[in-house]
Amino acid sequence: DSGVTQTPKHLITATGQRVTLRCSPRSGDLSVYWYQQSLDQGLQFLIQYYNGEERAKGNILERFSAQQFPDLHSELNLSSLELGDSALYFCASSPESSSYEQYFGPGTRLTVT
Amino acid sequence: AQTVTQSQPEMSVQEAETVTLSCTYDTSENNYYLFWYKQPPSRQMILVIRQEAYKQQNATENRFSVNFQKAAKSFSLKISDSQLGDTAMYFCAFMKLASGNTPLVFGKGTRLSVIA
Repeated sequence: DSGVTQTPKHLITATGQRVTLRCSPRSGDLSVYWYQQSLDQGLQFLIQYYNGEERAKGNILERFSAQQFPDLHSELNLSSLELGDSALYFCASSPESSSYEQYFGPGTRLTVT
Repeated sequence: AQTVTQSQPEMSVQEAETVTLSCTYDTSENNYYLFWYKQPPSRQMILVIRQEAYKQQNATENRFSVNFQKAAKSFSLKISDSQLGDTAMYFCAFMKLASGNTPLVFGKGTRLSVIA
């Protein structure tokens, strides 16, 4: 158990819909990262937050947005869903230390039908 | 931008044997970290081993060791005494050092099967 929690574990929804994925980082970790794992694109970085502020942006679509709240949990919002958005979405957290290790949550499996 | 290449999509090894997974990367950065992550069928991402680029000594963690060749930009993972529980996808990942932690760049992965 990494200490990072993600809800829900599975999500099935229809095209055009909007969903919210939630992540709670390890206690004390200020950085949260979102990654997407799909069959064709592999593991891709989407976005990073640090203590409530956006720090880095990767290949995140405009239909996707995220935020980190004062209690440090983060939410990833996916809207106007397409079949190609079906993937495993991981959240990871890390402390600001010299270890540079990222701890991954169990992921949310999103299926768009 | 950094890229990570894993040229072996699938590999298999007999139980108790040794196997080496390859990884090459491209970067203009001088300070960075390299990682190997394991993803078993449960889909959990598990850190296997970490290498700091400024360290010449290769990292080891029990049965797992790396061969880090900075000039060649190569970072292979050796698994000794392979066990059935080592069956998983293995991802090589790169992280550049900056003021604060930065995102990971992953390779496409190598699917390893350990055969009894």
